[in-house]
Amino acid sequence: DIQMTQSPSSLSASVGDRVTITCRASQSISSYLNWYQQKPGKAPKLLIYAASSLQSGVPSRFSGSGSGTDFTLTISSLQPEDFATYYCQQSYSTPPGAFGGGTKVEIK
Amino acid sequence: EVQLVESGGGLVKPGGSLRLSCAASGFTFSNAWMSWVRQAPGKGLEWVGRIKSKTDGGTTDYAAPVKGRFTISRDDSKNTLYLQMNSLKTEDTAVYYCTTIGAAGAWRDVYYYYYYYMDVWGKGTTVTVSS
Repeated sequence: DIQMTQSPSSLSASVGDRVTITCRASQSISSYLNWYQQKPGKAPKLLIYAASSLQSGVPSRFSGSGSGTDFTLTISSLQPEDFATYYCQQSYSTPPGAFGGGTKVEIK
Repeated sequence: EVQLVESGGGLVKPGGSLRLSCAASGFTFSNAWMSWVRQAPGKGLEWVGRIKSKTDGGTTDYAAPVKGRFTISRDDSKNTLYLQMNSLKTEDTAVYYCTTIGAAGAWRDVYYYYYYYMDVWGKGTTVTVSS
């Protein structure tokens, strides 16, 4: 089974900071990588699919990159509403689904 | 507006059964692939399983921890997705979300690839397995 490892597991940042979250797959998954944002007590929200495609309605400060085994989610200028937990998820294997452990972005 | 509303959660004893429902609206449910994802208290997201549309075979896939105990089904006439959970364990305690599965296609070299993702999520229903 494909394992997804995110780093860091948590980070502290200030409004306006550039934030980068990394996700690594245990084997190559091409560009079959999605990113989700989850706020406390809420359902997750899709941000990025196919490694770098921005979901409709998601602000352009969010971007994704990478292919193969190494991926990044970047928030170019952190906003107050971006404090949340972020998850990567691979959709390469059948059955798909494995999520990373999550990265909690907190206010510094 | 695309909407998913889960129901059926509650408290059940270990070894018991529960059936969750997910009512869909705002899109053509019969064409949609659907999935269930769960989240144990204070933990991360865990994919539970998916069901394809009947047009695409209606087949199901499950995560290893629930295979053989959980069954996903759909009633397209009622626009409803189900998760039948049997032989429940304390570790099945979680919020259960239903989601739609979206797809985007792209050409790479001479091949056309589909990229799948979970694009619409319900608010979730809580299942507690405890004696």
